[in-house]
Amino acid sequence: AQKVTQAQTEISVVEKEDVTLDCVYETRDTTYYLFWYKQPPSGELVFLIRRNSFDEQNEISGRYSWNFQKSTSSFNFTITASQVVDSAVYFCALSGLNNAGNMLTFGGGTRLMVKP
Amino acid sequence: GAGVSQSPSNKVTEKGKDVELRCDPISGHTALYWYRQRLGQGLEFLIYFQGNSAPDKSGLPSDRFSAERTGESVSTLTIQRTQQEDSAVYLCASSLLESSGANVLTFGAGSRLTVL
Repeated sequence: AQKVTQAQTEISVVEKEDVTLDCVYETRDTTYYLFWYKQPPSGELVFLIRRNSFDEQNEISGRYSWNFQKSTSSFNFTITASQVVDSAVYFCALSGLNNAGNMLTFGGGTRLMVKP
Repeated sequence: GAGVSQSPSNKVTEKGKDVELRCDPISGHTALYWYRQRLGQGLEFLIYFQGNSAPDKSGLPSDRFSAERTGESVSTLTIQRTQQEDSAVYLCASSLLESSGANVLTFGAGSRLTVL
């Protein structure tokens, strides 16, 4: 069975602070994909990144960066110099090559509040 | 259409009534997914369609829930004899069928169901 754990249910920071959202996953698949989605107050989930299990290179996109550590089954997400517009719920998700349903298993989400 | 469209956006019903929720996926997306999100919680997988077939119905919470898809397009999620615990946002997503597990899901804004 697959499982995604986001231990931080809520994080509050002040604008311009850096913040890291943790994600730990469990899977028996040897090939799998990890995702991050953002859910702003409007409710519609927005895709941020997809990473396959064979690519452990960290990725940076503007103020966003992702740290994939296969050895610890973690896929953490860092926002540098946070802004109020970053306030949202962030979901980490996992999909496996052998998952017949092709569905994503989501973590419980981390609510990030960035205060001015 | 340009995005995934869901209707109604908001539905209030009385306990015991049946409800139908509709999802119009992105044109050409062969995979369609339904998820449920209870207030303040993560996403719970309900059902997945590949074309018009649903290979995995294990996520449907009870036999009061059913879903169908026609023409590899529109999908309807039906909840019969609604209960208060059915109150949630029902999210639909669609995707192209990339190599298994790699699908990037595009989500609709959701249908918020309130059962009184």
